[in-house]
Amino acid sequence: AQTVTQSQPEMSVQEAETVTLSCTYDTSENNYYLFWYKQPPSRQMILVIRQEAYKQQNATENRFSVNFQKAAKSFSLKISDSQLGDTAMYFCAFMKAFSGAQKLVFGQGTRLTINP
Amino acid sequence: KAGVTQTPRYLIKTRGQQVTLSCSPISGHRSVSWYQQTPGQGLQFLFEYFSETQRNKGNFPGRFSGRQFSNSRSEMNVSTLELGDSALYLCASSPSTSGVIQETQYFGPGTRLLVL
Repeated sequence: AQTVTQSQPEMSVQEAETVTLSCTYDTSENNYYLFWYKQPPSRQMILVIRQEAYKQQNATENRFSVNFQKAAKSFSLKISDSQLGDTAMYFCAFMKAFSGAQKLVFGQGTRLTINP
Repeated sequence: KAGVTQTPRYLIKTRGQQVTLSCSPISGHRSVSWYQQTPGQGLQFLFEYFSETQRNKGNFPGRFSGRQFSNSRSEMNVSTLELGDSALYLCASSPSTSGVIQETQYFGPGTRLLVL
C-alpha cells in the first residue's frame, strides 16, 4: 500500500516570501503520478501542480514549482512570491499509473498561512 | 465548462437515518470518485465509478454505497448513519479515457454532513 507523509502540520510566512512544503511517499510502484492540491477556507479542493514519475524534469506552474526526487521518494512544493490568496491547506497526493483506477492517496496536509 | 457540482452542500441528519449525496461531473468526464474528509482521518478514498460500474473501492463498511448513471452523474448513499460519519464528502471527476493514462481529478465543493 502507498503512504504519503507531510511532516509540517503548519507553516507561516510573510507575503512575498518563498516557502517550501515537504512531502515524502512510500511505494513499490515505478510508474505513478504526484499532485499538490490546495484547499482554501471555502473547502474547494484545487489542483496546484502535477508530476509524472517518468519525467525527470520538475513541473512548474507560474509561482509554483516542485522538487521531485524519485530515488528519495520526495516531492516538495515551492511557492515563490507568496500571496495572501495562497493561504490554504495543502495536500500532497499519490496515484498509481496504469492501474485502471482513479484513486488518490493523500497526506495529512500542511496548513499554510501567508501574513501581510 | 461548468465544474463539478455537488448537492446538497450541507446536510444534518440523526443517527440511524440514511442519506443520499449527489455529484454531477464536468461535462465529458466519465469517472467519478468519492472521498471522505474528517479532521481525524484526513482524506480517504471511498469508491470510484466509471461507465456505471464501480471500478475501485476503499476500506469502508457496506453502509457506504454508490452508483453512477448513464449520464455519468453519481450518487453515494450512507445507511444507518453513525456519529462518526460526520464529514465533508468530496466528489471528483476525470476524463479517464478507456486507455491507461491516468487523468487529473477535479473536485467539487463538497457536501458537509453532520450526524446528530
